[in-house]
Amino acid sequence: EIVLTQSPATLSLSPGERATLSCRASQSVSNYLAWYQQKPGQAPRLLIYDASNRATGIPARFSGSGSGTDFTLTISSLEPEDFAVYYCQQRSNWPRTFGQGTKLEIK
Amino acid sequence: QVQLVESGGGVVQPGGSLRLSCAASGFTFSTYGMHWVRQAPGKGLEWVAFIRYDGSNTYYADSVKGRFTVSRDNSKNTLYLQMNSLRAEDTAVYYCAKDRTTVVTGTYFDLWGRGTLVTVSS
Repeated sequence: EIVLTQSPATLSLSPGERATLSCRASQSVSNYLAWYQQKPGQAPRLLIYDASNRATGIPARFSGSGSGTDFTLTISSLEPEDFAVYYCQQRSNWPRTFGQGTKLEIK
Repeated sequence: QVQLVESGGGVVQPGGSLRLSCAASGFTFSTYGMHWVRQAPGKGLEWVAFIRYDGSNTYYADSVKGRFTVSRDNSKNTLYLQMNSLRAEDTAVYYCAKDRTTVVTGTYFDLWGRGTLVTVSS
């Protein structure tokens, strides 16, 4: 099973700042990695797939990069609605796995 | 309206069974693979199971293999999860989720339901 490790566990930033979230895989997943956003009481929402492709309707301030074992989700300028929990997920191998999440909180 | 609506959750005793349903609408259900993903209270996401668009192949997380069965009825646009031999650690919100692509098997989850809560407790 591929283990995804996200860092940091919690990130405290202010609106307007740049956020950088990391996801490291225990073995190469090529570019087969996605990012999701989850707000309290809501289902997750797909943000980025195949490491760098924005899903439908996702604002341009969200971008993804990386390949192999190291990936990054960047939010260029935080909006109030961006404070949430973010998960990465791989589709390279079965079982599909998620990282443990990064909580992005308002500083 | 493109949506997924789960039902069937509730409280069940350890060792008991439950069947979840997921009604799909607004897209061609029969052409997409479907997943179940769960989230224990206050915890992260855990992928549970996948079924191909035609039901010809399924995959499971090790934690549920042999106890859970995913199935679908394309004539009813409905996905199912039969859960047997339930344990306390199966307590979670269960989401059904649509696969992003019709071409590749089991990729990402681009449409989610609101989830149904399963509580395993005596």
